[in-house]
Amino acid sequence: GEDVEQSLFLSVREGDSSVINCTYTDSSSTYLYWYKQEPGAGLQLLTYIFSNMDMKQDQRLTVLLNKKDKHLSLRIADTQTGDSAIYFCAESNSNTGKLIFGQGTTLQVKP
Amino acid sequence: EAQVTQNPRYLITVTGKKLTVTCSQNMNHEYMSWYRQDPGLGLRQIYYSMNVEVTDKGDVPEGYKVSRKEKRNFPLILESPSPNQTSLYFCASSLRNGRGYEQYFGPGTRLTVT
Repeated sequence: GEDVEQSLFLSVREGDSSVINCTYTDSSSTYLYWYKQEPGAGLQLLTYIFSNMDMKQDQRLTVLLNKKDKHLSLRIADTQTGDSAIYFCAESNSNTGKLIFGQGTTLQVKP
Repeated sequence: EAQVTQNPRYLITVTGKKLTVTCSQNMNHEYMSWYRQDPGLGLRQIYYSMNVEVTDKGDVPEGYKVSRKEKRNFPLILESPSPNQTSLYFCASSLRNGRGYEQYFGPGTRLTVT
């Protein structure tokens, strides 16, 4: 079945890099996503990657995709206190386009 | 401004009292969806709609109803709410149903059923 797994919590110091990891099961997923949820807010799409790509970089964000291991990671360089949020990994159901979310990783950035 | 709006943002109600959470988008999107967010479970899809008058069940549809009479609106109806429906609810929309179309999320409705 469809399943997306993430670790629940990550704490880093301001200025360090953060790496949030995710594993998924649907090998037919074409798109994989990272969403950010700030306290009291909805979800905001951060970035996405096509399954035929290994890496995508967008300013401080780097997404790495290992299709063989079905592993996705989000690296945030020079993490700031404003990056503190919950980060969700998601895959699209290959038939319906439905988003299947992981449990979310809470990123805590210490000054 | 392109957005998805939900009302109310917060609601406390009692078991069995029917309620409706409204969702509206101004982007002429075909696809709309409702999710619930619970700690440790991420977001789970309740219902979705590919277009007007077309709705289908998601992963956790029990206890919920939806309707899509107009393209912009997709209300979520709880006919007889129960405490296990206490959750944070999100409405989302995208241009099309399909891979690669960004889903835009509303700000969320926090529902408490006592």
